[in-house]
Amino acid sequence: RKEVEQDPGPFNVPEGATVAFNCTYSNSASQSFFWYRQDCRKEPKLLMSVYSSGNEDGRFTAQLNRASQYISLLIRDSKLSDSATYLCVVNTAGTALIFGKGTTLSVSS
Amino acid sequence: GAVVSQHPSRVICKSGTSVKIECRSLDFQATTMFWYRQFPKQSLMLMATSNEGSKATYEQGVEKDKFLINHASLTLSTLTVTSAHPEDSSFYICSARDLQTNTGELFFGEGSRLTVL
Repeated sequence: RKEVEQDPGPFNVPEGATVAFNCTYSNSASQSFFWYRQDCRKEPKLLMSVYSSGNEDGRFTAQLNRASQYISLLIRDSKLSDSATYLCVVNTAGTALIFGKGTTLSVSS
Repeated sequence: GAVVSQHPSRVICKSGTSVKIECRSLDFQATTMFWYRQFPKQSLMLMATSNEGSKATYEQGVEKDKFLINHASLTLSTLTVTSAHPEDSSFYICSARDLQTNTGELFFGEGSRLTVL
């Protein structure tokens, strides 16, 4: 089983749509969780951290379910500029971040 | 946020030559830096962890004699791809944490796209 698994997509949605991405991780000792965004041929950039209580940043909401080892990202009111690959990222203390393969989102007008 | 600078951003070389990629933390000190590699449509795969003043730790399957890592100072780590071959063509990205902020966030360099002819 891969350490971090994501549905690769692509997700093709119209502007204004709500879209949700899911991610599962295999290491129950994982402590930190993030969503990164990667634009084509660019380096990844942090979108948001994911906290146990769930957290929201504008149109983006992240959820964590430790019991199910499951992370989600919800994007409301999608914009054209949201088109990118979204990487689910997990960290265990003392190690480097482990990246999922990414989920590709394409928002069209 | 913290800034990590990577150079060169693109390099094309002939098979059999060596290529050095530099990674600098510009406004913080990084005792540890991470080197990732990303093939097209694949996830970032950790190659090695670079430790300032000591030997790098390589992930399984990564040849330490082929991918030489040097972390001579708190702000600079280098990755040298020795005797490069076409299958080494990839996007190499370095990253580091700013331990003073302790958010766990990794800051990435801009990446270096290597093409071996």
